[in-house]
Amino acid sequence: EAQVTQNPRYLITVTGKKLTVTCSQNMNHEYMSWYRQDPGLGLRQIYYSMNVEVTDKGDVPEGYKVSRKEKRNFPLILESPSPNQTSLYFCASSLSVTGVAGELFFGEGSRLTVL
Amino acid sequence: AQSVTQPDIHITVSEGASLELRCNYSYGATPYLFWYVQSPGQGLQLLLKYFSGDTLVQGIKGFEAEFKRSQSSFNLRKPSVHWSDAAEYFCAGVTGGGNKLTFGTGTQLKVEL
Repeated sequence: EAQVTQNPRYLITVTGKKLTVTCSQNMNHEYMSWYRQDPGLGLRQIYYSMNVEVTDKGDVPEGYKVSRKEKRNFPLILESPSPNQTSLYFCASSLSVTGVAGELFFGEGSRLTVL
Repeated sequence: AQSVTQPDIHITVSEGASLELRCNYSYGATPYLFWYVQSPGQGLQLLLKYFSGDTLVQGIKGFEAEFKRSQSSFNLRKPSVHWSDAAEYFCAGVTGGGNKLTFGTGTQLKVEL
C-alpha cells in the first residue's frame, strides 16, 4: 500500500531535549516536505527536499533541521525544542510539486507537545 | 507575495444543501491550484487540482471547482452536502516551476443534520 509513515504519532517532551520525527515513503517520490499545522495559521512549510541530498528552507525553518540521505526517508530534527514548537506536524511526498504529478501524499501527522 | 486566501474560517450548511468554499489567489502568473480535505485526526487528501485548460475541474467525492482568472478565484463547490463532508478544507497553490506549495488557512465545514 502506498503510504507516508510518520513516527512518533504523539510525543510529549521537555524544553531542550533533542528529538527526531521520522518520515518514510514507499512511492519512490523525489519531493518530500515537512509542514506544521497550527490553529488559524493553516499549514506552513518548514523544509522541503527535491531529491537526495537536496534540501531547502520553507517558510518557518527556524529551530528545525532535516536531512535526506536516502530517497525514502526525510527526518525532522528538533535540536533543542521549545514550547513554541508545540504543534501538529505533517510529512508529505510527491513525484513532483508541480505539473501533472503535483499531488502531495500526507502522513497521518505527529502531535508534538513541548513542556 | 504569492499566496492563497480562504476568507471563511467556519461555514455551516444543512445536509443536502449546496456548498461553496471560497479561495482567492495572488500570483504573478497563473498558478497550479489544489483543494485538499482533512478529516478529523487525519492527514490531508487531494480533492482536485487545476493546471490549465478547462476552468471547471471535477474531483473526488462529488466536488468540483472553477478557476476564474478575472476574479483570481478557485472556489470549491458541491451540489448536495453529506454529513460525512464535515472536515477542514484547504486551498493551495504553486507557480509552474516553483517548489513551494502554499496553503490557505483552511475553512472548517460543519454539516447540520
